[in-house]
Amino acid sequence: DGGITQSPKYLFRKEGQNVTLSCEQNLNHDAMYWYRQDPGQGLRLIYYSQIVNDFQKGDIAEGYSVSREKKESFPLTVTSAQKNPTAFYLCASSRGLAGVNTGELFFGEGSRLTVL
Amino acid sequence: AQSVAQPEDQVNVAEGNPLTVKCTYSVSGNPYLFWYVQYPNRGLQFLLKYITGDNLVKGSYGFEAEFNKSQTSFHLKKPSALVSDSALYFCAVRDSGRAAGNKLTFGGGTRVLVKP
Repeated sequence: DGGITQSPKYLFRKEGQNVTLSCEQNLNHDAMYWYRQDPGQGLRLIYYSQIVNDFQKGDIAEGYSVSREKKESFPLTVTSAQKNPTAFYLCASSRGLAGVNTGELFFGEGSRLTVL
Repeated sequence: AQSVAQPEDQVNVAEGNPLTVKCTYSVSGNPYLFWYVQYPNRGLQFLLKYITGDNLVKGSYGFEAEFNKSQTSFHLKKPSALVSDSALYFCAVRDSGRAAGNKLTFGGGTRVLVKP
């Protein structure tokens, strides 16, 4: 079945450690996104990529990094520079590029990161 | 800039009664509007969208939403709520202009509790 797979579902990290969250999609979508969800704050965009080997910062990119070496994969690294990394992270994808796509996002099941 | 407001943190409704979840938006151009639902510790699921055409949009699970341009609103409705509709609901908007890319802006979410 087509969809978006995020792993791990739960992750614990010590302060000062980098951690990478995986996101893989087999929907043949061009665009991929990372959102952060905190209670009462909705979803905030971290990074997005509309095509392979290209990505842009979202609204809260500081302390995060991404890569888009393959169409199917968009991993997110939470670095030690992110001061408050405990959150629920959601990866999403959509068809097409700006002006072509009408914006429906398909979401993975999320990864919950807890900093100890 | 684009923004979304969901004025109610929580909506309580008895099973079988009508359900309404409010959403207002702000964009510089014409809006593309979306509703998503999230169950605990899961990703978001798409419910419905307004791109153009009829102001009343029908979606999944018996939900519908009405686009009102003069009031810049896109309220989600269901004529008869079920206990299984209890979840977190997000409204999202995107400016239809190409410069907006495919970036959705989400509201803070409204928790719906349907009591038997």
